[in-house]
Amino acid sequence: GAGVSQTPSNKVTEKGKYVELRCDPISGHTALYWYRQSLGQGPEFLIYFQGTGAADDSGLPNDRFFAVRPEGSVSTLKIQRTERGDSAVYLCASSLNRGGLGTEAFFGQGTRLTVV
Amino acid sequence: AQSVTQLGSHVSVSEGALVLLRCNYSSSVPPYLFWYVQYPNQGLQLLLKYTSAATLVKGINGFEAEFKKSETSFHLTKPSAHMSDAAEYFCAVMGVNAGNMLTFGGGTRLMVKP
Repeated sequence: GAGVSQTPSNKVTEKGKYVELRCDPISGHTALYWYRQSLGQGPEFLIYFQGTGAADDSGLPNDRFFAVRPEGSVSTLKIQRTERGDSAVYLCASSLNRGGLGTEAFFGQGTRLTVV
Repeated sequence: AQSVTQLGSHVSVSEGALVLLRCNYSSSVPPYLFWYVQYPNQGLQLLLKYTSAATLVKGINGFEAEFKKSETSFHLTKPSAHMSDAAEYFCAVMGVNAGNMLTFGGGTRLMVKP
């Protein structure tokens, strides 16, 4: 596709429920990132994939959060037993390769998750 | 560890006035620095980036930023604000030893008055 696509754009769920957020990166981009943006704050890193493997998951806040990228393209962020504090905009980004050379990451429009 | 501080969560300027958004970073290695803009209900869009070439970096929409190592700063400027510049601006640092992710500042909301 032309850009990074995230679905759904909005998700409202009840406390304690399970949710899945999907990210379709730009075709050919091997690196994929998930960030979380709470209200009034900058995005915070969650997890980074290089191909199919999670190269760095140090930003995941706890074991309720998990992400997969089984075929090295689409990624799903999974949140179990959601809490009201999980409410935020979840952003996905992709780039051509490892960002150590300053490679630009392209961001999707995000999924706004509201836990009620 | 890396960090980014954006001074001023809200900045208001008049249309046609100079825009100055401040960003200071902390990094133990030479950093790559970025400015992103976020319009309402949209994703982050790259304005410009510094990757250890020229210290004065020009970006889209007339914005530019100057990397000053001695001041650990990467302030964003535009000579003349336009109404369409109203948005949230984020400064970010990517360290080569940092696992390639971005560390963002808290953001600055720019308001442009007619």
